[in-house]
Amino acid sequence: NAGVTQTPKFRILKIGQSMTLQCAQDMNHNYMYWYRQDPGMGLKLIYYSVGAGITDKGEVPNGYNVSRSTTEDFPLRLELAAPSQTSVYFCASSRGLAEGSDTQYFGPGTRLTVL
Amino acid sequence: KNEVEQSPQNLTAQEGEFITINCSYSVGISALHWLQQHPGGGIVSLFMLSSGKKKHGRLIATINIQEKHSSLHITASHPRDSAVYICAASRNYQLIWGAGTKQIIKP
Repeated sequence: NAGVTQTPKFRILKIGQSMTLQCAQDMNHNYMYWYRQDPGMGLKLIYYSVGAGITDKGEVPNGYNVSRSTTEDFPLRLELAAPSQTSVYFCASSRGLAEGSDTQYFGPGTRLTVL
Repeated sequence: KNEVEQSPQNLTAQEGEFITINCSYSVGISALHWLQQHPGGGIVSLFMLSSGKKKHGRLIATINIQEKHSSLHITASHPRDSAVYICAASRNYQLIWGAGTKQIIKP
C-alpha cells in the first residue's frame, strides 16, 4: 500500500493564482482531513470528510474548498492565493471509528509559498 | 488558554536519559494521541489512548482521565529520537493539537 499520497511536494504561487492540492489514500479509509502547519506552529484543521460526498469545515476553512467524490481522493482547492496561505499542507486519513478517535495516517506534505 | 497544553516546549538531553513530555487538556475528549514529527516534516502516529498505559519499544504513554493529563516517556533516549512530539485530543471527529515539544538528544 502506498498509504496517503500528496502532490505536488512543493509549489510557488503568485498572489491571486489558484491551485488544487491532491490527496489520495489506498487504505479504504472513510475519514480524510486537511491540515496546515505554519512555521514553528502546530497543525490546524482546514476541512475534513467522513465519507464520499460529505465534507465539513474545520478550524481555518476560509480561502479553501474541498470535495470528496470518491473514498480515495480528497483534493483541496485554493482560490485567489494570498501570502497568508504560505504553509505546509498535510492530508491525513483514518478508518473512522468512534467519531474519528482512531489513528490518523499522514501524507508527506505539500510546501506552498505564495509570493 | 489553549485547550491542549504541552510541556516542555523545548527539551535537550543526553543520549541514554529518561525523557518525559507532559500534556494537559481542558476539554472532554474521546481519545488522546501522541505523534512524532521528524526533522524532515513527516508525521507518524505513536499512540492513541483512551485510558491507562501503552508501551511500544522504548516509548510509554500514560493517561489519567480524571486529571486530564497524559505523559509520553522515552527510555534510554537516542539521537534518532530527536523530533517534535505532539499530543492531540480527539473530540467530535477532530483533533485538537498541542503546540509540540521539540526534543534534541545529544550523543
